[in-house]
Amino acid sequence: ETGVTQTPRHLVMGMTNKKSLKCEQHLGHNAMYWYKQSAKKPLELMFVYNFKEQTENNSVPSRFSPECPNSSHLFLHLHTLQPEDSALYLCASSQALGDTQYFGPGTRLTVL
Amino acid sequence: DAKTTQPNSMESNEEEPVHLPCNHSTISGTDYIHWYRQLPSQGPEYVIHGLTSNVNNRMASLAIAEDRKSSTLILHRATLRDAAVYYCILRDRSNFGNEKLTFGTGTRLTIIP
Repeated sequence: ETGVTQTPRHLVMGMTNKKSLKCEQHLGHNAMYWYKQSAKKPLELMFVYNFKEQTENNSVPSRFSPECPNSSHLFLHLHTLQPEDSALYLCASSQALGDTQYFGPGTRLTVL
Repeated sequence: DAKTTQPNSMESNEEEPVHLPCNHSTISGTDYIHWYRQLPSQGPEYVIHGLTSNVNNRMASLAIAEDRKSSTLILHRATLRDAAVYYCILRDRSNFGNEKLTFGTGTRLTIIP
């Protein structure tokens, strides 16, 4: 596969569940990002990783826990989410910080 | 962060040129102008970017006003596949590490067959 892939594409979970979103980039990039896109709201940056190290956390609640085991993979672990966390979660990567970002197709999350 | 202003929506006929405007009157000297678009059910896609001079690539052209307070994304021959939300974004390249791609509400482009 090429580009940035995300799995699953759709996820429905209850508020007490624990689930994880996965992102993989096949571009040889060193920086990876998690974004949240809610209905009728602009895209919001959540986390930034550069060479596996977290460089930015935009005041994201602790019920969202990112993990970056290597430069090609990024996870978002979810637990005890709220219905208002329902959104499209997008992963992106770039060669370096500040470079053009390439986005995956997103995971559509619904929290019941 | 410098802000951008775009029309909420635009319509264009298929196979005609489309000019998508963006105002950024508070742009600073180190801000690059980036355009991304988001097709239905997909993540945003990079389109083009520039600093002062007009830019062309295989997807589009970017025309930047001389005072840099506005820019226009030009799709030379719109197709149905160009129907998307187009975002105009300013990136301050002097602030290395400021990775916030600040997306506004963008312009929803509808292509009429």
